[in-house]
Amino acid sequence: DQQVKQNSPSLSVQEGRISILNCDYTNSMFDYFLWYKKYPAEGPTFLISISSIKDKNEDGRFTVFLNKSAKHLSLHIVPSQPGDSAVYFCAAYRGPHSGSARQLTFGSGTQLTVLP
Amino acid sequence: EAEVAQSPRYKITEKSQAVAFWCDPISGHATLYWYRQILGQGPELLVQFQDESVVDDSQLPKDRFSAERLKGVDSTLKIQPAELGDSAMYLCASSFVESYEQYFGPGTRLTVT
Repeated sequence: DQQVKQNSPSLSVQEGRISILNCDYTNSMFDYFLWYKKYPAEGPTFLISISSIKDKNEDGRFTVFLNKSAKHLSLHIVPSQPGDSAVYFCAAYRGPHSGSARQLTFGSGTQLTVLP
Repeated sequence: EAEVAQSPRYKITEKSQAVAFWCDPISGHATLYWYRQILGQGPELLVQFQDESVVDDSQLPKDRFSAERLKGVDSTLKIQPAELGDSAMYLCASSFVESYEQYFGPGTRLTVT
């Protein structure tokens, strides 16, 4: 039962253009959504998050959009840089109110390649 | 900047052997997580601790995997005996109890031959 899905395993974008990474989820009980970035041979690093009561959060070149009715979120990177090339994981967080432990559920990741 | 430490970074072992991984979380983080990440997939939670207590180990294959956090600080994950299908990246993460943001260590890449 995949509660968080990233349907695009890879994405290539030209340097300076916009990168859009997508994520879908099935559980309406998630409280927060997060994006992590992972380089080879390193652990994931936190990038940006959004509360389930918001529809947009921006941090520099990174913006996350949340569409609750569609159970869809996206990460926009503008402008894209070669150093952004990495695997991006979408993750969803359930708080204790749902009766479960505070946990993250991850998507399968999207490999972003920014071409110089 | 505080980091989650993990060792070893790489481990090659033969099937049926025992293997152990160590994690030291960020100081002050009461919650510690062990994840397994198979290539092409996202991290999957194996076990979650709050202090020295197990909060969730429902996805831990308990016939061969064990985890402990005896003093509520560092933690060890053990596999005995290792199987070929255990080849993966094992990630440790930690967080404050009330926080949704988890900090990950560099991981241990396990190869079982």
